[in-house]
Amino acid sequence: SQKIEQNSEALNIQEGKTATLTCNYTNYSPAYLQWYRQDPGRGPVFLLLIRENEKEKRKERLKVTFDTTLKQSLFHITASQPADSATYLCALAPNTGTASKLTFGTGTRLQVTL
Amino acid sequence: NAGVMQNPRHLVRRRGQEARLRCSPMKGHSHVYWYRQLPEEGLKFMVYLQKENIIDESGMPKERFSAEFPKEGPSILRIQQVVRGDSAAYFCASSQDRDTDTQYFGPGTRLTVL
Repeated sequence: SQKIEQNSEALNIQEGKTATLTCNYTNYSPAYLQWYRQDPGRGPVFLLLIRENEKEKRKERLKVTFDTTLKQSLFHITASQPADSATYLCALAPNTGTASKLTFGTGTRLQVTL
Repeated sequence: NAGVMQNPRHLVRRRGQEARLRCSPMKGHSHVYWYRQLPEEGLKFMVYLQKENIIDESGMPKERFSAEFPKEGPSILRIQQVVRGDSAAYFCASSQDRDTDTQYFGPGTRLTVL
């Protein structure tokens, strides 16, 4: 069955360091992958989208890589700040059928401390 | 440009009552998606609608749940005869296009069934 795995343990890092979050998937051929941020009690906020034919995407302090051979995406936040503390979700859209039917991982909680 | 609007933000129902959740997509968006997030679980796709059409309802429970997106007005997710297991956060998302397009999420409706 299709599976998306994100590290369920919280990631604690010091301010100024680079945070790296991992999203692994199995039995899936995604057309594209998205990363969202979710704060407690709020809806997910879109951050970045990367397509299957793209290796890397950047936006300000954020960088996403997509390795379809390893079936993995890495999400990096450079020069992290306490305001970056949140849960980060990866979501995949299938390559066949309804491309818009996103499948989400359970998310990784990031805690950035001073 | 207002984002996706959902109301109510919090809804309390007793077992056996009906719950109606409303979603107004972003301006210019004609595609609406409903997701459910149970405590400690990831977002699960429920249904995808365009104006007056249900495109994909593969994630909807077979009974008690229905959704619509009329020509005029918001999209409605309706849950009849609610049970305690329906307690969750229900998120609506909208997109401008269907394929390879970002979904923007609303703040969610938190349903509590007593």
